[in-house]
Amino acid sequence: GQQVMQIPQYQHVQEGEDFTTYCNSSTTLSNIQWYKQRPGGHPVFLIQLVKSGEVKKQKSLTFQFGEAKKNSSLHITATQTTDVGTYFCISATNKLIFGTGTLLAVQP
Amino acid sequence: DAGVIQSPRHEVTEMGQEVTLRCKPISGHDYLFWYRQTMMRGLELLIYFNNNVPIDDSGMPEDRFSAKMPNASFSTLKIQPSEPRDSAVYFCASSFGAGLARTQYFGPGTRLLVL
Repeated sequence: GQQVMQIPQYQHVQEGEDFTTYCNSSTTLSNIQWYKQRPGGHPVFLIQLVKSGEVKKQKSLTFQFGEAKKNSSLHITATQTTDVGTYFCISATNKLIFGTGTLLAVQP
Repeated sequence: DAGVIQSPRHEVTEMGQEVTLRCKPISGHDYLFWYRQTMMRGLELLIYFNNNVPIDDSGMPEDRFSAKMPNASFSTLKIQPSEPRDSAVYFCASSFGAGLARTQYFGPGTRLLVL
């Protein structure tokens, strides 16, 4: 069945360093959503991408949807300790497909 | 505005006991989702409803799990009998609009520990 692989599973950065997580699919995705979950918290919606090659920005976060709509990335420029958490992607067609998540640790 | 409300927030029970988790979606939302999250398996979709009707329950692990949505403002997830491997965080989420490609609003979760 359709799967979305998310890499890396874990990343530890120093505050101020950049961070990127990727969601990759073997098949074309109709859309992709990104969520953030703080430690001990619940997932919170960040953004949705639907168009091929789409790029969206939210403050220090940049989201991209690949031209072939098979991959997506979330990039954080100059991480802060408030960026700590797990970032995961969800794609929705007639069912929901989940990335496994990337846990980001930021050392002050 | 109130978000998705879940109760209880924490539950500790003994193996074999019945557990009932409750969820109140955001008013006006027509989709409701139940998820389970563990360290080993991540976030898993158990079941979702559209307009109170169960649409996909393929994620429900086994017959011990059941979910109902008697009206648009209330849903339950029941585990009977509970087992230690059911220990997890259970999230309820709701969304509005046609299709699954909508923003999901998650509740705070119920942290279940089965001893």
